[in-house]
Amino acid sequence: GAVVSQHPSRVICKSGTSVKIECRSLDFQATTMFWYRQFPKQSLMLMATSNEGSKATYEQGVEKDKFLINHASLTLSTLTVTSAHPEDSSFYICSVRYQSGYTFGSGTRLTVV
Amino acid sequence: DQQVKQNSPSLSVQEGRISILNCDYTNSMFDYFLWYKKYPAEGPTFLISISSIKDKNEDGRFTVFLNKSAKHLSLHIVPSQPGDSAVYFCAASPAGTALIFGKGTTLSVSS
Repeated sequence: GAVVSQHPSRVICKSGTSVKIECRSLDFQATTMFWYRQFPKQSLMLMATSNEGSKATYEQGVEKDKFLINHASLTLSTLTVTSAHPEDSSFYICSVRYQSGYTFGSGTRLTVV
Repeated sequence: DQQVKQNSPSLSVQEGRISILNCDYTNSMFDYFLWYKKYPAEGPTFLISISSIKDKNEDGRFTVFLNKSAKHLSLHIVPSQPGDSAVYFCAASPAGTALIFGKGTTLSVSS
């Protein structure tokens, strides 16, 4: 199946700074990638759908100016958390749909201090 | 409004017995259902899937049953092993779009 690499796996940043998370599709050209967020003991909540070459589609309640998504190529989507605050601390996961199903990155644990 | 529901937050089973994890959904447009296993601070690991045209899919110790009229699916693990202990998520998708996840069920298999 498709392989997705997500980086970094863990990041700690200061409040007010920005953090970029990368999601790479290693062996599959992904026109669409999905970004999820998971708070402790909660479900994976869809944040946005990233579309190559066009604007991302954000779910209700997700601030598009805070969570910037760029999908400039068929193998790379990035999520930038801008002006991070402690409440943005969470586990962020990207996902790709391919012919046989869905695959996920290993996730990024973001801690904002 | 939660479209995918896992009403049991936890399940405890003895090794060798059957584990049954349940999932209900509300969106009749869902046509693809999956079960994932997840450990803390890791991405989900795919277990098994089923499309809406089937009512059963089996892969080794894992079997997924789909009851469309009841909008219900279940994952059976038999025999259960201690290594199966994890959080299990049910997920569904309408027409190949993003997966919608349930809240998960924590399975504990004791030896």
